[in-house]
Amino acid sequence: DGGITQSPKYLFRKEGQNVTLSCEQNLNHDAMYWYRQDPGQGLRLIYYSQIVNDFQKGDIAEGYSVSREKKESFPLTVTSAQKNPTAFYLCASSKRQPNTEAFFGQGTRLTVV
Amino acid sequence: AQSVTQLGSHVSVSEGALVLLRCNYSSSVPPYLFWYVQYPNQGLQLLLKYTSAATLVKGINGFEAEFKKSETSFHLTKPSAHMSDAAEYFCAVSTNTGNQFYFGTGTSLTVIP
Repeated sequence: DGGITQSPKYLFRKEGQNVTLSCEQNLNHDAMYWYRQDPGQGLRLIYYSQIVNDFQKGDIAEGYSVSREKKESFPLTVTSAQKNPTAFYLCASSKRQPNTEAFFGQGTRLTVV
Repeated sequence: AQSVTQLGSHVSVSEGALVLLRCNYSSSVPPYLFWYVQYPNQGLQLLLKYTSAATLVKGINGFEAEFKKSETSFHLTKPSAHMSDAAEYFCAVSTNTGNQFYFGTGTSLTVIP
């Protein structure tokens, strides 16, 4: 079945360490997105990519980095520069058409201790 | 700029009662609108989407939404709430000027037995 896979489901890291969240899709979508979700704040866009080897900053990109070397993969690195990294992270993908929906992975809950 | 506003961060209804979740959009061009549902510690699942084909849109699980341009609204309704409807609901908008999705802050629906 086609879909988006995020791994791991839960992730614990010590403060000051970088950590990479995985996102893989087999939907053949060109566009991929990373969102951060905090209680009461909805989904905030971190980075997005419309095509391989290209990506743009979203509203809260500081302290995060991404790469898009393959169409299927869009990993997110949470760096030590991110001041409050504990959150629920959601990856999504969509076709590059204006009237299409985004498909979401199951999310990764990152806890920094 | 595109945005959506969800009125009411928490809504409680009795089982069997009408569900009404409010969403107003702000867009300088005709929007594409979506409603998503999220269960705890999971990703978002599409309930329905408006793409200008019809103003009344029917989705999964008995939900529907009506696009009202004069009111810039896209409220979500369900005639009779079920216990399984308890979840977080997000309204989202995208436009044909860019492949980005903008989400509201969400409405948490509680169904009282």
